[in-house]
Amino acid sequence: AQSVAQPEDQVNVAEGNPLTVKCTYSVSGNPYLFWYVQYPNRGLQFLLKYITGDNLVKGSYGFEAEFNKSQTSFHLKKPSALVSDSALYFCAVRDYGNNRLAFGKGNQVVVIP
Amino acid sequence: DGGITQSPKYLFRKEGQNVTLSCEQNLNHDAMYWYRQDPGQGLRLIYYSQIVNDFQKGDIAEGYSVSREKKESFPLTVTSAQKNPTAFYLCASRGAKRGRTDTQYFGPGTRLTVL
Repeated sequence: AQSVAQPEDQVNVAEGNPLTVKCTYSVSGNPYLFWYVQYPNRGLQFLLKYITGDNLVKGSYGFEAEFNKSQTSFHLKKPSALVSDSALYFCAVRDYGNNRLAFGKGNQVVVIP
Repeated sequence: DGGITQSPKYLFRKEGQNVTLSCEQNLNHDAMYWYRQDPGQGLRLIYYSQIVNDFQKGDIAEGYSVSREKKESFPLTVTSAQKNPTAFYLCASRGAKRGRTDTQYFGPGTRLTVL
């Protein structure tokens, strides 16, 4: 079975400071990993994904994520957080050949001005 | 959200009534999905369909039904058998075939409230 853990319910960060949102995963085969962001009363917006290749993946709005196979992690990062980055962030994973995504519970990010 | 529409945005239902949530996509995607979102619980899969006229139950299918008569449409019916239907419902779609790496894209959601 595939699963995702996002260990922190909420991440608080000061504007301009680096932002990290943690994600660890469990799959039986090679993982396909995704990050999404959700603003209040909106659908999920795709940020980035890791399929294969370079472990550092760059995505939308200045976000990037690093795939670490030995630690089964896929942490989301942004060098300098903006107040507008305040939102709910979801990590998701699926096995190769699986049509379903497994989502984490989400992390609320609060960027303090 | 572009390419996937959900209607209505807000829906109110009386207990004992069935309601149908609409999901339409113009992305020519094969696969479509319905999720339920409750505070603090992330997204839970209700039903999904990989091809027209075929669909599979997800993790919480009880009290819900779907149809997939057209590639672009995947309506969800919340029946009176669903004991706690108040939630935010999200539709998603994904292109291409089994084993491909295509991304799931989401609609804007429908917030259902039972009065």
